[in-house]
Amino acid sequence: ETGVTQSPTHLIKTRGQQVTLRCSSQSGHNTVSWYQQALGQGPQFIFQYYREEENGRGNFPPRFSGLQFPNYSSELNVNALELDDSALYLCASSFGQGDTGELFFGEGSRLTVL
Amino acid sequence: AQSVTQLGSHVSVSEGALVLLRCNYSSSVPPYLFWYVQYPNQGLQLLLKYTTGATLVKGINGFEAEFKKSETSFHLTKPSAHMSDAAEYFCAVSTNTGTASKLTFGTGTRLQVTL
Repeated sequence: ETGVTQSPTHLIKTRGQQVTLRCSSQSGHNTVSWYQQALGQGPQFIFQYYREEENGRGNFPPRFSGLQFPNYSSELNVNALELDDSALYLCASSFGQGDTGELFFGEGSRLTVL
Repeated sequence: AQSVTQLGSHVSVSEGALVLLRCNYSSSVPPYLFWYVQYPNQGLQLLLKYTTGATLVKGINGFEAEFKKSETSFHLTKPSAHMSDAAEYFCAVSTNTGTASKLTFGTGTRLQVTL
């Protein structure tokens, strides 16, 4: 069973740049959720994708966008980076829309914005 | 809106001592509650969850939690701490956004285990 993998693990960007983070979901899972974890905080829900469509979004501006592909892998894109976007970005996969069961998390992509 | 409060951002216990990490929730509907653990430089791993049924939930690594509706609490316990338990622990409640379910996390409790 292949777990959730994320890339890159670390990256540094400057204000105003754009970034793309990638996530491969666990085998058999069709739902991907993205969370932002700022330093010293709990993860915060960004959005969820189910069968290639966004089906739920947290309190994040439109410059945070995503995609899910037919193989259920996913991308998180952030445009016009701000200093406060520095955080650990976690991808989690699960099975089923509206699933309240276990989320399987990747190890995250740590983004630093200078 | 549902929310979670974790009391104590840092907890230190001696190896072999009882571990108690506190979590209180706020929910307008019957909640689904979770405890996750995060080791340094890693993602989150599910320790245990409460959905329905038995209020005492047993998880991995000897942890358990009890859902107490009257106290709106879901405290995490382990009878005897081990050095390997040192990590960040997050309590979470499941929230439905309309079409998706998301987890609303607390701010976390860092557990330190000393010799």
